[in-house]
Amino acid sequence: EVQLVESGGGLVQPGGSLRLSCKASGFSFSNYGMGWVRQAPGKGLEYVSAISGNGGSTYYANSVKGRFTISRDNSKNTLYLQMGSLTTEDMAVYYCARDCGGDCSPGFDYWGQGTLVTVSS
Amino acid sequence: QSVLTQPPSASGTPGQRVIISCSGSRSNIGNNYVYWYQQLPGTAPKFLIYRNDQRPSGVPDRFSGSKSGTSASLAISGLRSEDEADYYCAAWDDSLSGVLFGGGTRLTVL
Repeated sequence: EVQLVESGGGLVQPGGSLRLSCKASGFSFSNYGMGWVRQAPGKGLEYVSAISGNGGSTYYANSVKGRFTISRDNSKNTLYLQMGSLTTEDMAVYYCARDCGGDCSPGFDYWGQGTLVTVSS
Repeated sequence: QSVLTQPPSASGTPGQRVIISCSGSRSNIGNNYVYWYQQLPGTAPKFLIYRNDQRPSGVPDRFSGSKSGTSASLAISGLRSEDEADYYCAAWDDSLSGVLFGGGTRLTVL
């Protein structure tokens, strides 16, 4: 069974940093691209960042470019999102999601339960 | 312009057929596949439709997707109370070189 479990969310002050993690299980992690999608309170979904299976290709939304870094450790089946210079605009539930790959890409076929990032002084 | 436009709300009665639209442009829907996600209240999104009209295993055939030009639609037939959720369309956008989500449509089953 495919499982994605996020962690690392919490309360951070404006200008602060936070690292999110997503532990994957139930599939061959290195064979799949992965992404982060966020959802601000009461708002819609926003594609934040993505990374290829081997980590060689990455994507960032303009809203986070230069402040966030996506990475993965395939030996640990874990995806990361290092977030810096956080503002209240970054406050959201952050979902880790698996790219379905192949002809299905760039759909996200499995999602974690999400981790809440609160930015407040 | 890199925007996918959905109606903010839709509604129907049990058993009815409801259609949710998603309007984009050549750089997204026009040139790329459309995806649909269902988000039940308080839960993570669920993969509903891929490549315009394909259903992942486990998704009932009451859900169907279509695309024409720069617009796409999600149809839900035989509406049930458990279909009450937010629905999002998504597509790759060539200008952004990333995935674009629509603003979402809240479906209410009356």
